Amino acid sequence: QVQLQESGPGLAKPSQTLSLTCTVSGGYISSGSYYWSWIRQPAGKGLEWIGYISYSGKTNYNPFLKSRVTISADKSKNQFSLKLSSVTAADTAVYYCARRATGYYSSYFDSWGQGTLVTVSS
Amino acid sequence: SSELTQDPAVSVALGQTVRITCRGDDLRTYDASWYRQKPGQAPVLVIYDRNNRPSGIPDRFSASSSGNTASLTLTGTQAEDEADYYCNSRDSTGNHLLFGGGTKLTVL
Repeated sequence: QVQLQESGPGLAKPSQTLSLTCTVSGGYISSGSYYWSWIRQPAGKGLEWIGYISYSGKTNYNPFLKSRVTISADKSKNQFSLKLSSVTAADTAVYYCARRATGYYSSYFDSWGQGTLVTVSS
Repeated sequence: SSELTQDPAVSVALGQTVRITCRGDDLRTYDASWYRQKPGQAPVLVIYDRNNRPSGIPDRFSASSSGNTASLTLTGTQAEDEADYYCNSRDSTGNHLLFGGGTKLTVL
């Protein structure tokens, strides 16, 4: 059973870059046809997809965040990371990493990390 | 632009059946997946590939789809089913992902 665990600073300053890492165990990020994703949830609000990196290293981002997001992977550590630049208070949220699986017409997140709260404040 | 719309809140009496809906034009093309989220916890996949349940999800959870609407049905709702439920699918490009705004299910 694959497990995911987010890590990183719980506080980011406005205008700076938020950085998080997701460590994957029980499976390899470079094997299988999976997409390693980031999703966030502001307090009391719904889920927002941020983006993903595929098993082959291809990335895809939410168009509304694309200019500020970079997702990368370190296969040697079986980790993938999120960088979100120029953060504001609106980026305060619980950030989840998740594994996405796909079919021809389907897409679903079958494994999730526990989430980590990032607060943007000076 | 693409979007998925859910009713903000739904209530059901204990032991009864409830349907939670998700509407979006791109659901005519792409399947929805469904997630349950309890307070302070990460979301959990409950339905994928139209109407498949991951191991550990009770068979009282089922799903269907018609036109631009996907539905999650709970038959014989239990107290522990009280949670927020989210649908998820692709947008019109097929490359980007969307979540519905979520439905808060209250079990009376």
